[in-house]
Amino acid sequence: EIVLTQSPGTLSLSLGERATLSCRASQSVYSNYLAWYQQKPGQAPRLLINGASSRATGIPDRFSGSGSGTDFTLTINRLEPEDFAVYYCQQYGTSPLTFGGGTKVEIK
Amino acid sequence: EVQLVQSGAEMKKPGEPLKISCEGSGYSFSSYWIGWVRQLPGKGLECMGIIYPGDSDTRYNPSFQGQVTISVDRSINTAYLQWTSLKASDTATYYCARGGTSHWGDYWGQGTLVIVSS
Repeated sequence: EIVLTQSPGTLSLSLGERATLSCRASQSVYSNYLAWYQQKPGQAPRLLINGASSRATGIPDRFSGSGSGTDFTLTINRLEPEDFAVYYCQQYGTSPLTFGGGTKVEIK
Repeated sequence: EVQLVQSGAEMKKPGEPLKISCEGSGYSFSSYWIGWVRQLPGKGLECMGIIYPGDSDTRYNPSFQGQVTISVDRSINTAYLQWTSLKASDTATYYCARGGTSHWGDYWGQGTLVIVSS
């Protein structure tokens, strides 16, 4: 099973700042099949990024994904009020599918 | 419009059985994987297992193997997650999500809250 480790656990930032979230895999993610999700309280997760770097439909371009192999990054430029949430990475290249533990982005 | 609609919240006692559902619409149900995801109160996401409705190929996360059963009824575009004997530790929100060969999680159900309490 591929273990995904997200860091930091919590990120305290101000509106307009840049957020950089890390997701490290215990082994190489097949075909870089790595997704990022945003989740707000009481809501289902929302897909942001697929295939490590492809933005999902309707996702603003301030969200970008990068990385390959075992190291992946989600960058959120110019944080807006609606971006404060919990973010998860997920690998779907190898069964069982696995999620990282999440990074909470909170207002400083 | 693609939709995954899950069955409603459940309150059960320990030891009782339960089957929750996820109905897909607006797409070719048989051509996409359905995954079940658990979220314990205040915790992160865990993938329990996935099923391919086209041939019922099912793959469980080892942590959940033997604890739950994932199934599908293609005739009514519905996937299921079931327990034979619930425990208090099964209290959680359960989501279904759709996945394809090169992408995952573009559509999610609204979640089903399961509370197990005596």
